[in-house]
Amino acid sequence: NAGVTQTPKFQVLKTGQSMTLQCAQDMNHNSMYWYRQDPGMGLRLIYYSASEGTTDKGEVPNGYNVSRLNKREFSLRLESAAPSQTSVYFCASSEVHRPQAPEAFFGQGTRLTVV
Amino acid sequence: TQLLEQSPQFLSIQEGENLTVYCNSSSVFSSLQWYRQEPGEGPVLLVTVVTGGEVKKLKRLTFQFGDARKDSSLHITAAQPGDTGLYLCAGFTSGTYKYIFGTGTRLKVLA
Repeated sequence: NAGVTQTPKFQVLKTGQSMTLQCAQDMNHNSMYWYRQDPGMGLRLIYYSASEGTTDKGEVPNGYNVSRLNKREFSLRLESAAPSQTSVYFCASSEVHRPQAPEAFFGQGTRLTVV
Repeated sequence: TQLLEQSPQFLSIQEGENLTVYCNSSSVFSSLQWYRQEPGEGPVLLVTVVTGGEVKKLKRLTFQFGDARKDSSLHITAAQPGDTGLYLCAGFTSGTYKYIFGTGTRLKVLA
């Protein structure tokens, strides 16, 4: 079982370059999320998609865009990378329409460095 | 803005000691979850607590949800080196579809 797959695992960008982080889940979950993790900051929500066709801003959306391509895939785009976007990025998915609080499943992360 | 503050931020203890990690917020959550994260991996769910005052036990780990559903604690009895990792609490509010994560507690258990 693949679960949540993120690509790439590592990336180095120069300031001003653009890139897209890919995320795919095979659990047929409705909701998907992008988080960034910085030392001492826990996980901060960038954008999320409650269901296919919808996206919403999280706590730290500036400098990012997202696309919910279909039910499986949710991509995160950096249009003009900045050193402040150096971080580890996690994609997650869950089935929030279930009545009981759902578990969020995470990918292994993308470690991005902007120089 | 919903915030979850965890304390302590870092904890280094000897094998066999007990410890408690706290997760506090001014916001009410429908449920609260605890995740553990290993280096190079994504967080993995340990437990979900839903009812105010609820206590759940997972072997040597005891989780409690505050009566007002604004806070939670994680207590580890007789810590082992295998408990080493980053512990994250996450609040979930029905209808928002969002998980708000705490600041994290990095635990190191020395043999």
